[in-house]
Amino acid sequence: DAGVIQSPRHEVTEMGQEVTLRCKPISGHDYLFWYRQTMMRGLELLIYFNNNVPIDDSGMPEDRFSAKMPNASFSTLKIQPSEPRDSAVYFCASSPRAGDSNQPQHFGDGTRLSIL
Amino acid sequence: DQQVKQNSPSLSVQEGRISILNCDYTNSMFDYFLWYKKYPAEGPTFLISISSIKDKNEDGRFTVFLNKSAKHLSLHIVPSQPGDSAVYFCAGNMRFGAGTRLTVKP
Repeated sequence: DAGVIQSPRHEVTEMGQEVTLRCKPISGHDYLFWYRQTMMRGLELLIYFNNNVPIDDSGMPEDRFSAKMPNASFSTLKIQPSEPRDSAVYFCASSPRAGDSNQPQHFGDGTRLSIL
Repeated sequence: DQQVKQNSPSLSVQEGRISILNCDYTNSMFDYFLWYKKYPAEGPTFLISISSIKDKNEDGRFTVFLNKSAKHLSLHIVPSQPGDSAVYFCAGNMRFGAGTRLTVKP
């Protein structure tokens, strides 16, 4: 079975440019999560969706960040305009069923983002 | 606010010995705690979990202990193996700690 697929694996761009990160969750999983990993803060939850609907976006750093899930098999995280402090590894994860916190999340391999 | 804290950024142990990774939390409403393991250039993978109504869960070489009164949990790995070298994350209800890098020396 295919796991969570993220693209691109690496992204290097200049400050001010728009960045789009993509995620394909595991088929049948109702929850999709976006995380950011930094040395200082570890794994931070940015936003999560249930059945394509955003449930909690309180972790989104600021208005420059936006996330969408137009259908059950695709989600994007956009940063516009990007800044050097956005450099991090961004992970997407999905989990089966709804409302059960014992369901482990399945993570993609992440997108390493570098903003110059 | 960090609801899950892993205060030790790194831990080094000798092969065959016990590894103990610690985690503290602040939110009493967490009903499950999960440990994930992460290798470089890969995403975290689920390792073991524990319900808040239990104080111990064991799976092979891995045991997680939960002390609700202290809001503390720990992951024990025994015996430790070089392949266990990775970053370990503690999580409660989608909130993750900063991780602890475990190095197991041959």
